[in-house]
Amino acid sequence: SQELEQSPQSLIVQEGKNLTINCTSSKTLYGLYWYKQKYGEGLIFLMMLQKGGEEKSHEKITAKLDEKKQQSSLHITASQPSHAGIYLCGADNTGTYKYIFGTGTRLKVLA
Amino acid sequence: NAGVTQTPKFQVLKTGQSMTLQCAQDMNHEYMSWYRQDPGMGLRLIHYSVGAGITDQGEVPNGYNVSRSTTEDFPLRLLSAAPSQTSVYFCAGSPRRGETQYFGPGTRLLVL
Repeated sequence: SQELEQSPQSLIVQEGKNLTINCTSSKTLYGLYWYKQKYGEGLIFLMMLQKGGEEKSHEKITAKLDEKKQQSSLHITASQPSHAGIYLCGADNTGTYKYIFGTGTRLKVLA
Repeated sequence: NAGVTQTPKFQVLKTGQSMTLQCAQDMNHEYMSWYRQDPGMGLRLIHYSVGAGITDQGEVPNGYNVSRSTTEDFPLRLLSAAPSQTSVYFCAGSPRRGETQYFGPGTRLLVL
């Protein structure tokens, strides 16, 4: 079955620094979702990518899906303490509508 | 619109007890799902539904039942709670299968 691997597992950066989180799939991605979760809370939808080479941005967060549709990256520019939390990637498991998720990347931003 | 709501927020059960976690949405989502989130395991799909009267198993369905009698409600039943079911449970809804899912705030369950 399809699996999603995220890297790094955790990240501590100084405020103002850029950072990148990666999500690699064992199979072709039919739809890749990025969510943010604040500690102890629910998941907040960030972006969805479907087409190879697609790139989307929201405020200081940019997500890309590579041409082969097996890897996505999430890039945060000029990080702020408000960016802290857990970032999860999710996908439709090989088109079955049974969604799978990566184990998450814990981000801490030092002021 | 309230989006996806879950009740209760917290629950403590004794081994062997049964209970129902409630999930409701008011956005006419066709697709609804239940996940559990455990440390180091990420989110794992328990059951999902693609419409009223239609449900199917996810990755970890054992010990859980669901039903979808209306479009709005998708309750999750624990038949006989076990300590291994201690987790945070999330319900999610999506306008249609294959589209973005929107998550509820979660239910923290502790089984003693």
